[in-house]
Order: sequence, then C-alpha cells, then structure tokens
Amino acid sequence: DSGVTQTPKHLITATGQRVTLRCSPRSGDLSVYWYQQSLDQGLQFLIQYYNGEERAKGNILERFSAQQFPDLHSELNLSSLELGDSALYFCASSVAPGNTIYFGEGSWLTVV
Amino acid sequence: AQSVAQPEDQVNVAEGNPLTVKCTYSVSGNPYLFWYVQYPNRGLQFLLKYITGDNLVKGSYGFEAEFNKSQTSFHLKKPSALVSDSALYFCAVRDMSLGQAGTALIFGKGTTLSVSS
Repeated sequence: DSGVTQTPKHLITATGQRVTLRCSPRSGDLSVYWYQQSLDQGLQFLIQYYNGEERAKGNILERFSAQQFPDLHSELNLSSLELGDSALYFCASSVAPGNTIYFGEGSWLTVV
Repeated sequence: AQSVAQPEDQVNVAEGNPLTVKCTYSVSGNPYLFWYVQYPNRGLQFLLKYITGDNLVKGSYGFEAEFNKSQTSFHLKKPSALVSDSALYFCAVRDMSLGQAGTALIFGKGTTLSVSS
C-alpha cells in the first residue's frame, strides 16, 4: 500500500457525461500528479500540483481539469466524455517536486 | 525530445535464472531515472531510482539497476528470478523540460516479465 488513496476504483458512465475522480495523497506529501494509462497511449502525464498550485501540464485535454484543495486532496474532472477516454487514471504524490513519486491503485473509467 | 525506450515488449525467464529488463533514455543534462512495477489490477510500485552517485542502484525485492552513461541505459536486473516477479515493468525518466517546478516522469511503454517455474 503506497498510502495514496483514489476513489472510486471503478466507474462506468455514458458518453457526454462528466465525472470526478478523487485522490488523497500520502500523509505529508505536498505534490500531486495525475496520469492516464491506456493500451494505445501507455502512461501519459496529465497535470501536477504542488501545495495547491498548478506546477506542470502534460497531455491534458481541455475537457479535463483538476485542482488541489487546501487539505491537499486533489480532484480530476473529466467532462463531455468520449469512448476514447476509457482508461485507468492514476494519482500519485511526492513530498516535494524531485522526490520519489508514489502511485495510487488507480480509478478505472469505462465510457459506454 | 526527452524519451525512454523499453525495446522488449516481453521478457521470459525461468525461475532461478538471472533476469534483465532493458531501458534506454534520451534526455538533456543529467538524468533522473526510475523503475516501477505494476501487478495485475494494481497501481505502480516504486522499485528504485538513480539520481547521482554509484552506477549500481539497489532497490526493493532484490532488484538492482545499472546506470551506463555512455550507452544511455538503465537496465533492471535480478540475480535469481521468482515466479512472483511476473509483472509489467516500467522505466521512467524525470521530464527536465518542465524545469525545476515540474517534476513529472516520462514512462516507457513497459515490459512484461514472465517467470516460469
């Protein structure tokens, strides 16, 4: 157990809908990362936050957004969902940028 | 562009034999390199990392990795494979294009390790 908690573990939703994935980082970690894992794209970095502020953006679609709250938990919002958004979404955290990154077990999203 | 390559989709070894999972990288400057393992329906687990110092890095579960700057490689090794080592292994490098503020990782495509009894 890495200490990074993600909910929900599984989610099935219809095209066009909006979902929110939630992440609690390891105790003491200030930096949160979101990744998408799919068969065709592999592991893709989406976005990083540090202590509530956005630090870096990767291949995140405009339909997706994220935030990190004062208690350091983070949410990834996915809207106008398409079939191709079906993937495993990972949250990860580290004490600070540059430290080892630890991953949660992911949220499986299926768009039908 | 920075990248990580894992040239083998699958590696098959017999239990008790040594294993090697290959990784090569392309980055500007000094690389920060990582290995993670993913078991079925689980998240990624950190195995080891190279930041600086000794080229041979020891990690969890008896794994080690050798950093070779001239060959831009960071191969994962284990002297004696176990059936329980069967999993998907990812090599990763810190994305230096993000600057000091961003420290996300670029991952390879992954290598499936299958250890037979």
